[in-house]
Amino acid sequence: GIQVEQSPPDLILQEGANSTLRCNFSDSVNNLQWFHQNPWGQLINLFYIPSGTKQNGRLSATTVATERYSLLYISSSQTTDSGVYFCAVSGGSNYKLTFGKGTLLTVNP
Amino acid sequence: EPEVTQTPSHQVTQMGQEVILRCVPISNHLYFYWYRQILGQKVEFLVSFYNNEISEKSEIFDDQFSVERPDGSNFTLKIRSTKLEDSAMYFCASSDSYEQYFGPGTRLTVT
Repeated sequence: GIQVEQSPPDLILQEGANSTLRCNFSDSVNNLQWFHQNPWGQLINLFYIPSGTKQNGRLSATTVATERYSLLYISSSQTTDSGVYFCAVSGGSNYKLTFGKGTLLTVNP
Repeated sequence: EPEVTQTPSHQVTQMGQEVILRCVPISNHLYFYWYRQILGQKVEFLVSFYNNEISEKSEIFDDQFSVERPDGSNFTLKIRSTKLEDSAMYFCASSDSYEQYFGPGTRLTVT
């Protein structure tokens, strides 16, 4: 099946800093989603982005499907941005999502 | 904005007991999924459901698990005889194409 690797595994920032999270995948995809898992365990859908670039406030994402990677940018980070960020993909005739192991982001005040 | 809902939010059960986790997908969606996340690990696919039947299932989804869409709105996951290793967060998701919308999850604790 499709493989998903996220980097870095852990990231510690000071409030106000910018960050880039990366997701590499092993095959062509029909779906790529970025999630933020909050402290209560809920998965918050950030972006549906199988290709191209999207922006939502301080967050933006870019997927370069031909090179099999996606980037999530967080600008002017806030303590509430802390949590685990997951990338998940599906490909081929499958609709099921395969998740990466996530990036644990800690934003210190 | 429509959303996926799940009940209960937290369930504690004893080993060997049956549990049913409930989900209400977004109303016009046709594809339904269950995922689980053991504490500290990544989210794993369990099963997908389309047109009133299972379309795909993972190795985790053995005979102890079953899914059902008993009416036009609910989608359930049943675990027949729970084990300690079934303790996890269970997420329901639905979609009408590729993008999946996740519910808030049910935290299952097996003691």
